[in-house]
Amino acid sequence: DTAVSQTPKYLVTQMGNDKSIKCEQNLGHDTMYWYKQDSKKFLKIMFSYNNKELIINETVPNRFSPKSPDKAHLNLHINSLELGDSAVYFCASSQGGTIQETQYFGPGTRLLVL
Amino acid sequence: KNQVEQSPQSLIILEGKNCTLQCNYTVSPFSNLRWYKQDTGRGPVSLTIMTFSENTKSNGRYTATLDADTKQSSLHITASQLSDSASYICVLHKAAGNKLTFGGGTRVLVKP
Repeated sequence: DTAVSQTPKYLVTQMGNDKSIKCEQNLGHDTMYWYKQDSKKFLKIMFSYNNKELIINETVPNRFSPKSPDKAHLNLHINSLELGDSAVYFCASSQGGTIQETQYFGPGTRLLVL
Repeated sequence: KNQVEQSPQSLIILEGKNCTLQCNYTVSPFSNLRWYKQDTGRGPVSLTIMTFSENTKSNGRYTATLDADTKQSSLHITASQLSDSASYICVLHKAAGNKLTFGGGTRVLVKP
């Protein structure tokens, strides 16, 4: 199946822990994104990588560190998790390098910090 | 106040009926406006995209309209089906600053 996939689907962890979320796309796209969807369902972009290079870095705590080993993968590592980090995190990809292009989203990772 | 406001917040309709969702925005100027459908537990999927100069765009039973004078867009769902139950999100791309602004979505529940 051609798609954007994320692991894990669910993540429950204690405050202060460090965790990673992985994302892979096999669509051959050049650009990948991380979004956070809060409890009010607003989607906010966090990061964007184009061919492994960071092109968008919104105001996100530096506890969040994206890593792109190749253009098909964009992982998100979160240090010292806080209660407010609880949300659904979506990975997405698009063909070219502009944010306005159609983005294809993964199924989301539901993070709950206790 | 968010620059993209959607209404209603939620909506219940009977299968087979039509409905219209609203998106009011203050983002200006913008390069395109997109409607996404997000099924429960899934990521958003693009339904329609319109540039600032377009008035309407259809995708099957979904028709989006844009009125740049009143800064409103609407998404009309015709002959609703149970599978239309989802959240519908309005998104504007502002060329200056290369920003995407998302609305909070309208949750639609289609009942048999």
